[in-house]
Order: sequence, then C-alpha cells, then structure tokens
Amino acid sequence: DTAVSQTPKYLVTQMGNDKSIKCEQNLGHDTMYWYKQDSKKFLKIMFSYNNKELIINETVPNRFSPKSPDKAHLNLHINSLELGDSAVYFCASSQSSANPLHFGNGTRLTVT
Amino acid sequence: GENVEQHPSTLSVQEGDSAVIKCTYSDSASNYFPWYKQELGKGPQLIIDIRSNVGEKKDQRIAVTLNKTAKHFSLHITETQPEDSAVYFCAAIKSGYALNFGKGTSLLVTP
Repeated sequence: DTAVSQTPKYLVTQMGNDKSIKCEQNLGHDTMYWYKQDSKKFLKIMFSYNNKELIINETVPNRFSPKSPDKAHLNLHINSLELGDSAVYFCASSQSSANPLHFGNGTRLTVT
Repeated sequence: GENVEQHPSTLSVQEGDSAVIKCTYSDSASNYFPWYKQELGKGPQLIIDIRSNVGEKKDQRIAVTLNKTAKHFSLHITETQPEDSAVYFCAAIKSGYALNFGKGTSLLVTP
C-alpha cells in the first residue's frame, strides 16, 4: 500500500487555467505538507496542516489554496496558473513536526 | 527562519570509495536533522536522521555526525555502490516548524 499518494502524477495545462492536485496518506499522521521543487531541485515548504488546521503558510501567492477535508487528505488548488508555477509539487506527512517526513512521488506540473 | 547550506552541489566518487556531504544551519534552536535520498522520478526518502542530543549515528554504510557548537552536520557513506547515485538533501527543523532543506547534492558513483 502506498503511504502517501498524490494525483495526478503529471499535469500539463495552459496559462490562466485552474487545477487541483490531490493527496492522501494512510499512515495515521496528524501533519501534512505541500512542498515545491523547482528545476534546480530546491525543495521549499509551501503549507503545513496539523489535524485539518493550517499552521504554516509560507510566502505563497494567494492563487494557491490548500484544503484539508480531514487529517488524511490535503489537496492543493491553483488558480490562474502562470508559467512560473511549473515545478514538481510534493505532498508529505509526519506524525508531528520534528519527525520524519514521508513524501509522495510528486506531481509534475507544466504550464504552457 | 532557518537557513540550511549544503556542500558540495555535485560529487563524483568511484565505487568503493567514501562520500561526505556537509551542511550548516543557522538557528541554534533546531533540534532534528534528517537526510533524504531522492531518486529520479520519486519523492525524497529518509535514509538517516539525528536529534540534537546525539553527536553521531550509524546505520550500516551510512553515518551522520552533528556538531551543535559549530552548527554543522555531515553525511558519510562508506563503500559506495552505483545504486547510491542520487540527489541527497539535508534538512533542519525546530519543533513547531516545517523542515528547511539544503539545496541538494547530486552524487554519482562510477563503477
């Protein structure tokens, strides 16, 4: 069973469109995250949720809106996509902060 | 916020040699230091971690050392094998915050 699964694996879309990425974890963890990995492989935290509540919101444009319907799911919705949004987006979970993160296999978003 | 510096950005070693990757962090309150390995097309996977109350930890061919005074920690891989080739990330965190990653080291092990 996949511990952290995110869909879709690939997403190709045009500028201006709205898209969503879904993430689910079956580890029973309380904390979930979204990270963005750019073309230089740099991993940057975007959001963190603990038990459905937003606890970390880095300087991310308002076009990005995370939603956590329950503690096993954290989805990412992106409005008005821009070329610079092209990256690999990783979902992750952990029991709490300062504990190991378990990552999904990423969603490669390409904005044309 | 926490700033994590990682060196080198690329590292090429021959099979059987050792590889060392070094990281420094800025926030003295950081208390957890994991290392991740990322293979092509996959998410990062934890390979070893260390907490601030320990100076060294070893798991088979992999070891991590932590110097809290100097605020640096290192990953040591001995007897490297071609399957060790990947991108390695260090990270640091203090409780209540999210992991901040170094910029990664691309390790190539040549047969």
